[in-house]
Amino acid sequence: EAGVAQSPRYKIIEKRQSVAFWCNPISGHATLYWYQQILGQGPKLLIQFQNNGVVDDSQLPKDRFSAERLKGVDSTLKIQPAKLEDSAVYLCASMGPGAGTEAFFGQGTRLTVV
Amino acid sequence: AQSVTQLDSQVPVFEEAPVELRCNYSSSVSVYLFWYVQYPNQGLQLLLKYLSGSTLVKGINGFEAEFNKSQTSFHLRKPSVHISDTAEYFCAVSDDTDKLIFGTGTRLQVFP
Repeated sequence: EAGVAQSPRYKIIEKRQSVAFWCNPISGHATLYWYQQILGQGPKLLIQFQNNGVVDDSQLPKDRFSAERLKGVDSTLKIQPAKLEDSAVYLCASMGPGAGTEAFFGQGTRLTVV
Repeated sequence: AQSVTQLDSQVPVFEEAPVELRCNYSSSVSVYLFWYVQYPNQGLQLLLKYLSGSTLVKGINGFEAEFNKSQTSFHLRKPSVHISDTAEYFCAVSDDTDKLIFGTGTRLQVFP
């Protein structure tokens, strides 16, 4: 079974530029998460999708961050414009059906804003 | 609202010694509890989970955890650690909404 795929693995941009990350979840997984993990901290939930609908985006800085999952499969997370404090690893995870099911994580995208 | 507290940011231990990583949670509803491990430059991998039933759960790599509802804790233990256990360990809580919240993590450093 293929895992959660993310790209790119690394990205360096200047502040005020825009950037997009892509995630392909495990086939059949309806739930998809985006997390931000700043160095030395735990993953912070940015947004949770159920199929192509948003379940929770309470921690997403909506003035600069956006995410979509148009067909309920792949997802993109965008930052525009980026700030220095957005430097972090962005993790995508997916979960299959059933309460308490394990979430599977991708390798993450390491973003450096200079 | 759910939250997870991992009081120990770092735990140094010698090889073959026992270890306990502490986790406390808060939630107003029934919870599901998880421990994930993160090796350098890698994603998170599930160690074990508690859904219901027996309060002692066993996971991979010899780890186990005990769910204590009265103390709202889910501490992770291993009787004898190896150098290869050096990693970051995250406790997480979820509920029937599948909202998955992580703690700040504990860095386990195993010394020879």
